[in-house]
Amino acid sequence: KAGVTQTPRYLIKTRGQQVTLSCSPISGHRSVSWYQQTPGQGLQFLFEYFSETQRNKGNFPGRFSGRQFSNSRSEMNVSTLELGDSALYLCASSPGSSSYEQYFGPGTRLTVT
Amino acid sequence: AQSVTQLDSQVPVFEEAPVELRCNYSSSVSVYLFWYVQYPNQGLQLLLKYLSGSTLVKGINGFEAEFNKSQTSFHLRKPSVHISDTAEYFCAVSSPSGGSYIPTFGRGTSLIVHP
Repeated sequence: KAGVTQTPRYLIKTRGQQVTLSCSPISGHRSVSWYQQTPGQGLQFLFEYFSETQRNKGNFPGRFSGRQFSNSRSEMNVSTLELGDSALYLCASSPGSSSYEQYFGPGTRLTVT
Repeated sequence: AQSVTQLDSQVPVFEEAPVELRCNYSSSVSVYLFWYVQYPNQGLQLLLKYLSGSTLVKGINGFEAEFNKSQTSFHLRKPSVHISDTAEYFCAVSSPSGGSYIPTFGRGTSLIVHP
């Protein structure tokens, strides 16, 4: 099976812009989670989607949003980018209805200038 | 609430030496435990997991971990490391919350293997 894919792999944006990141889970996986990874804060959970519904949400401002499509592919959007949003954004998919076992994509490296 | 503490931010070791990466967790309910590895510019890869049963868990690349409930620990070990094991290692704990089991990750331990 193909692994989790994320596009794009690298992205440079300017403060105030918005960005959309895409994630395709492993075939058959219905749960998709998003994480932000920075040197200062480590891995922080953003949100989780299961069957097109947001099931869990981390402690991030409303500028961070996401959605999941009927084919389980997911997108996350960050509006009004800030310098502090520079990070590696990781997507993970999980088999079954629980999300404890996660398979990660390679991530999207977002740089905000 | 659950939390994970990785006691060492960095562990230097010589090639072919044994290594132990320490992880302690806190949770008020029964948990699932995981170790992940992250190589530079890559995502996390699952090394091993403890869900139930034997407390000694074997994973990929020769790693193993032991679940100790009384000490709430899940330390990762390898008897002989290689240069290629140089990477960031993350311990994670998962317990049921709102119908899912979103894991909480530790801050990571950087394993540096010297020739």
